[in-house]
Amino acid sequence: GAVVSQHPSWVICKSGTSVKIECRSLDFQATTMFWYRQFPKQSLMLMATSNEGSKATYEQGVEKDKFLINHASLTLSTLTVTSAHPEDSSFYICSARDYRTTSGSGNEQFFGPGTRLTVL
Amino acid sequence: GENVEQHPSTLSVQEGDSAVIKCTYSDSASNYFPWYKQELGKGPQLIIDIRSNVGEKKDQRIAVTLNKTAKHFSLHITETQPEDSAVYFCAASEGYQKVTFGTGTKLQVIP
Repeated sequence: GAVVSQHPSWVICKSGTSVKIECRSLDFQATTMFWYRQFPKQSLMLMATSNEGSKATYEQGVEKDKFLINHASLTLSTLTVTSAHPEDSSFYICSARDYRTTSGSGNEQFFGPGTRLTVL
Repeated sequence: GENVEQHPSTLSVQEGDSAVIKCTYSDSASNYFPWYKQELGKGPQLIIDIRSNVGEKKDQRIAVTLNKTAKHFSLHITETQPEDSAVYFCAASEGYQKVTFGTGTKLQVIP
């Protein structure tokens, strides 16, 4: 099946520093990757959609200069939280879509295991 | 945009009983409805999905039904087991548009 990995699984950083999170599709090529943020006991909130080779599309209210997204290849997307602050502490989850899916709408997304970010 | 409502927010059932989680969506153009299971500290896992050209789909103890007219879809888990305990999310999307998630249901299966 489709496997998505994230690295690191957890990270603790000091306020003001930057943190990079990697999302990889291990056994398929993903033209599109999605980045979500999830606060405790809440649903997933889409932050941005990342298309390989083009600029990411950010959801309303998400600062693109603070959450830098790069999707340089069909198997790797990165999210960099710049100048992190305690309010950025959250569970960050990526997902990837397999463009080869031909059945139905082909909109299946496969999620990574998430990255727990704690900003002190 | 799409709005997905999910009920109940919490659900406790005895082991062996059935569990039903219901969702409604607002955008009649939505045609793909996945369900995800999320265990504590992990990413969501796709457990079943249904497309708008199908009214029902079943996979072992899990089934999903879709009523396009009423814009309702439901997840049914039969013969529940303790390992079914998790948070379940429904979602909806149109074609290759972004997926909109429901608010989640915390299911507890009591041994």
